[in-house]
Order: sequence, then structure tokens, then C-alpha cells
Amino acid sequence: EPEVTQTPSHQVTQMGQEVILRCVPISNHLYFYWYRQILGQKVEFLVSFYNNEISEKSEIFDDQFSVERPDGSNFTLKIRSTKLEDSAMYFCASSGQGSGYEQYFGPGTRLTVT
Amino acid sequence: SQQGEEDPQALSIQEGENATMNCSYKTSINNLQWYRQNSGRGLVHLILIRSNEREKHSGRLRVTLDTSKKSSSLLITASRAADTASYFCATGGVTGANSKLTFGKGITLSVRP
Repeated sequence: EPEVTQTPSHQVTQMGQEVILRCVPISNHLYFYWYRQILGQKVEFLVSFYNNEISEKSEIFDDQFSVERPDGSNFTLKIRSTKLEDSAMYFCASSGQGSGYEQYFGPGTRLTVT
Repeated sequence: SQQGEEDPQALSIQEGENATMNCSYKTSINNLQWYRQNSGRGLVHLILIRSNEREKHSGRLRVTLDTSKKSSSLLITASRAADTASYFCATGGVTGANSKLTFGKGITLSVRP
């Protein structure tokens, strides 16, 4: 069964450093998302991406964040200068088009900013 | 306003019993999806119900949706110890079928063997 994959599973970085989180969405999906979950809190939407552009973004997704689909399979989230409060589990998700609105999530990348 | 509030926050049952979890939301939706999350792990998609549907089944799962009351319920029948996890409802907005999901805080389900 196709699944969303994410790398790395755990990333530790120092405050102020740039990180890139990588995702491979399900191959025939057209919509891609990033969410995050701070420990013990709700899953929060960050950004959605369709047709090579951002379709929606939250207030969290400020200028420190960017997304890219560098090729036909990868979808990345870059945090330019990490802050302590960026420590969270970051989930990538994808969904298809038409009757399939289900969003399928990857296993997540745990980002720890020290 | 809070969208997607689950109830109860925690539920403990004996293996074999049924588990019912409720979710309420405030704004109009296109769809509502239920997810399971084992401790520290990813979100597993369980079931999606569209705003024009009232009930759906998938294996031991039954989900209902009442758009007039802005509420949904997830029933897990004949629970197993392996069902122990956190369960989240997530609502998809009316801006489009693939719009962002807004998650609730989740319900912690413990199934005692």
C-alpha cells in the first residue's frame, strides 16, 4: 500500500541553524501539506501546496518557513533560522483529487532545537 | 473559536467493549476525518465522512455525522488492547475538498486486556 515517507525521523539542531525536512508524498497525489504537533498539543496546519504553489498557509508559516517541490517526488519544508519554539513533530501529508479527499500522513520528523 | 473538540478527553474500557468517542465543531465543513495516533508516532487515517453523508462503516469502525448539531461520533466495536491510542477528529473546510484539516485535542483511549 502506498504511503507517505519522511526523512529524517529525528533531527537535532542548534538555534539559528537552517533545517530541511523531507517528504515523499504518495505518487499520484496532487495536494501536499505540512502540519506540526508540539508535544502534548494539537496538530496544527502550516501550509498546503498544489500545482507548484502555496494554496493556503497559517499564521505560523512566517518568512522563516518555505516549501518546495524540487522534483517530481520530493516535498520539502525549510526552516531558515530555527528557534527553540520550533521544536515539534512535523508531519507531511498528501491527498489526491476527485473523490479521494483523505489526507494521508507520514510518520513525522521530530525536530529538537537546542 | 475551537474547531474539532473531542469528548471525552480520556476513555478507559475493557477489551471486548465498545468505545464511543464524540467530536463537535463550530464552522461549516466539507468533510470530517478520524485519525489514530500511537504514542509518539504518526497519524493513521481511519475514516472520512463527507458533509452530505450521515453514517459510514469500515470494519469495526462506525462513524456518524450530524451537520445540524455539528457533531460526529466514532464507534469502535469489540475493542482490542491494540486499539489503545489517541484518536483525533479533523475537519476539512468548505474552501475546497482538499483544504486544510483542523484537528481537535484528541481522546486518549485505553483498552484493558
